[in-house]
Amino acid sequence: GAVVSQHPSWVICKSGTSVKIECRSLDFQATTMFWYRQFPKQSLMLMATSNEGSKATYEQGVEKDKFLINHASLTLSTLTVTSAHPEDSSFYICSAAGTGNTEAFFGQGTRLTVV
Amino acid sequence: QKEVEQDPGPLSVPEGAIVSLNCTYSNSAFQYFMWYRQYSRKGPELLMYTYSSGNKEDGRFTAQVDKSSKYISLFIRDSQPSDSATYLCAMSRNKLSFGAGTTVTVRA
Repeated sequence: GAVVSQHPSWVICKSGTSVKIECRSLDFQATTMFWYRQFPKQSLMLMATSNEGSKATYEQGVEKDKFLINHASLTLSTLTVTSAHPEDSSFYICSAAGTGNTEAFFGQGTRLTVV
Repeated sequence: QKEVEQDPGPLSVPEGAIVSLNCTYSNSAFQYFMWYRQYSRKGPELLMYTYSSGNKEDGRFTAQVDKSSKYISLFIRDSQPSDSATYLCAMSRNKLSFGAGTTVTVRA
């Protein structure tokens, strides 16, 4: 399958700081990227969908000013958690899909801990 | 009602048993159906991908899609302890919708 690389795999930050997570499709052009959040023992929760060159579409209840998504190229999308708080601590996962969104491939996930 | 319903389990089976997982969905527009496996603290990995109704086999894994009943299944034959993971169904038309995931434990 296609390769999606997510970086960093884990990060600890202080409350009030911002954290950027990168998601790269290594061997295909990702026209659409999805960002998910996953709490322990729960399923993936879609946060937002981004198409290359367009503004992201956020799911209901997700603060777009807090979770900034940039999808500037067909191989890179970033999620920035701004002014992080302990309740933002979670596992964040990106996935990337090519044209048609028929299947998506996931990154390894980023475990964010805000202290 | 959620678009995709999946029993979260947990499901525990002895080694060598057949694991049977399923999902139901409400949106008849879904065209593509997938099963992902997620190990603890890892991103999900794509296991099976189907487009039409019917069966698809890949080694010990068989995926079934019944569009008329809006029902999909994943069977794992000769289950191994290494199959212990959370299995998520997903389906898509323009965006992916996931089931809650079923946690499976295969006991040695």
